[in-house]
Amino acid sequence: AQSVAQPEDQVNVAEGNPLTVKCTYSVSGNPYLFWYVQYPNRGLQFLLKYITGDNLVKGSYGFEAEFNKSQTSFHLKKPSALVSDSALYFCAVRGVNTGGFKTIFGAGTRLFVKA
Amino acid sequence: GAGVSQSPSNKVTEKGKDVELRCDPISGHTALYWYRQRLGQGLEFLIYFQGNSAPDKSGLPSDRFSAERTGESVSTLTIQRTQQEDSAVYLCASSPRTGDNSPLHFGNGTRLTVT
Repeated sequence: AQSVAQPEDQVNVAEGNPLTVKCTYSVSGNPYLFWYVQYPNRGLQFLLKYITGDNLVKGSYGFEAEFNKSQTSFHLKKPSALVSDSALYFCAVRGVNTGGFKTIFGAGTRLFVKA
Repeated sequence: GAGVSQSPSNKVTEKGKDVELRCDPISGHTALYWYRQRLGQGLEFLIYFQGNSAPDKSGLPSDRFSAERTGESVSTLTIQRTQQEDSAVYLCASSPRTGDNSPLHFGNGTRLTVT
């Protein structure tokens, strides 16, 4: 069975500091991994994805994520946080040719960036 | 182009009534997904469609929940005899097809309140 864990309910960071939002996953075989962001009163928006190849992927708004197969992790990072990054972040996994192609989401991590 | 459209945006209903939630996916997207997001919680997978068929209904919480899709387009999620625990935001998403690495495109959701 597929699963995603986001161990932190909330992450607090000062503006200008680097941020990390953690994600670990479990899936049979190789994964497709995704990060989505949900701003207040808006739908989920796609940030970035890992398919294959380079373990460091870059996405929208200066975010990046690092795939670590041995640790089954896909942590979201940004070198310098902005107040406008404050939102709810979801990690998601889809099994490549497994799991019936459904995408499973983590519980979400709320990011607060303080000015 | 037009994104995923969901209606109604808000629905208040009395316990025991039936409700229908509608999703119009992006034109040409053959895969369609329904998720539930309870207040302060993550996304709970309900069901997905590939074309008009639903290979995975495993997430439907009970037999009060059903969904259908016609014409490889519009989908309707029906909840019969609503209960207060059904109160949540119901999110619909679409993607070009299942089994590939395309991200999901989400609608803004239907906020269901059962009184």
